[in-house]
Amino acid sequence: QVQLQESGPGLVKPSQTLSLTCTVSGGSISSTGYYWSWVRQYPGKGLEWIGHIYYSGSTSYNPSLKSRVSISVDTSQNQFSLKLTSVTAADTAVYYCARVDATEAANDRWGQGTLVTVSS
Amino acid sequence: DIQMTQSPSSLSASVGDRVTISCRASQFISTSLAWYQQKPGKAPKLLLFAASRLEIGVPSRFSGSGSGTDFALTISSLQPEDFATYYCQQYYSTPYTFGQGTKLEIK
Repeated sequence: QVQLQESGPGLVKPSQTLSLTCTVSGGSISSTGYYWSWVRQYPGKGLEWIGHIYYSGSTSYNPSLKSRVSISVDTSQNQFSLKLTSVTAADTAVYYCARVDATEAANDRWGQGTLVTVSS
Repeated sequence: DIQMTQSPSSLSASVGDRVTISCRASQFISTSLAWYQQKPGKAPKLLLFAASRLEIGVPSRFSGSGSGTDFALTISSLQPEDFATYYCQQYYSTPYTFGQGTKLEIK
């Protein structure tokens, strides 16, 4: 059973870079049938798709974040990572990593989520 | 971006009731729609994809319908564990977008 686990700082200062890593266990991140995504959920509960990556490194990002976001993959560690630059309080949210079926792009496995607060 | 609008935003129902939640897309999305269930403090859980295909392990009392722009999630006989918030998501085109959620509460 594939499991995903987010890790990273829970508090980031405004204007700094938010960095999170998702570790995949129970399966290979290099599986051809899946993408790997980041989704965030604001305190008011709305969900926002941030972007996804294929094991080859091919990425797709939400245009609303495109100038600030990057997602990378480390197949040797079975991990993928999120970086979001120049954060503000509006980036405070629970960040989830998830597996995406490459045929039907629904998120079929999710990490437990990690709360990131942007505050000085 | 494709806007996803769910109705109602909240719903009160009793165990055993049949309930339906609607989701409307602002433009054509074929059947590229997923439904998720989320309980407090937990990650969303995939219930259905391709508008009507049940994810493995999800009880058959959950069903989905629709195509194009109008979709529905139906729970045929509510169980106590079904009280949660439900979200639809389109994955027809990026950026993938979610509905605002429907909170299903016990009457």
